[in-house]
Amino acid sequence: QVQLKESGPGLVQPSQTLSLTCTVSGFSLTSYSVHWVRQHSGKSLEWMGRMWSDGDTSYNSAFTSRLSISRDTSKSQVFLKMNSLQTEDTGTYYCARNYDNYFDYWGQGVMVTVSS
Amino acid sequence: DIQMTQSPASLSASLGETISIECLASEGISSYLAWYQQKPGKSPQLLIYGANSLQAGVPSRFSGSGSGTQYSLKISSMQPEDEGDYFCQQSYKFPFTFGSGTKLEIK
Repeated sequence: QVQLKESGPGLVQPSQTLSLTCTVSGFSLTSYSVHWVRQHSGKSLEWMGRMWSDGDTSYNSAFTSRLSISRDTSKSQVFLKMNSLQTEDTGTYYCARNYDNYFDYWGQGVMVTVSS
Repeated sequence: DIQMTQSPASLSASLGETISIECLASEGISSYLAWYQQKPGKSPQLLIYGANSLQAGVPSRFSGSGSGTQYSLKISSMQPEDEGDYFCQQSYKFPFTFGSGTKLEIK
């Protein structure tokens, strides 16, 4: 069955770089796009970016040059890298499979705290 | 960016009651709208896409409607398992944006 699972550090120091991995199963990254979405503890959801099935990427301009998404199709993994982290980047980070520009399967999420 | 204004922020309903949640887009989004349900400690689940298409496995008491800038999610006959947070999301333009959420509780 379709599964996505995020992994990465739970604590990152301010100004450092966040690196997260989304490992998928039950579908191919060359057939489906994968998105990254984050959620602040107050509820709001924010779309961060997308790894297209052809390897192209799209980003939310709110993250400008801080964000990078890549993949390793042989390992069925999508990676998120974001630098210059600040306290407002604290939240839960999800990867989600694309379905017609909506999100039909989500990972369990990984909680990231930015603090010294 | 397209702003999605969701209302109400919270809602309390009795079992069996019919409820509606609204989402107003800052510009027309041509029915490129989804609704998600999120339970505490869990990831969001897709309920409705394309404004009115029910995702596979979602109970038929959930329905969506709307056009242009105004959309709504209806739950006919509230059930205990319907408690949670609900979000709308537009996919008309990048960046995709979400509403601020509605917390639905049982009265």
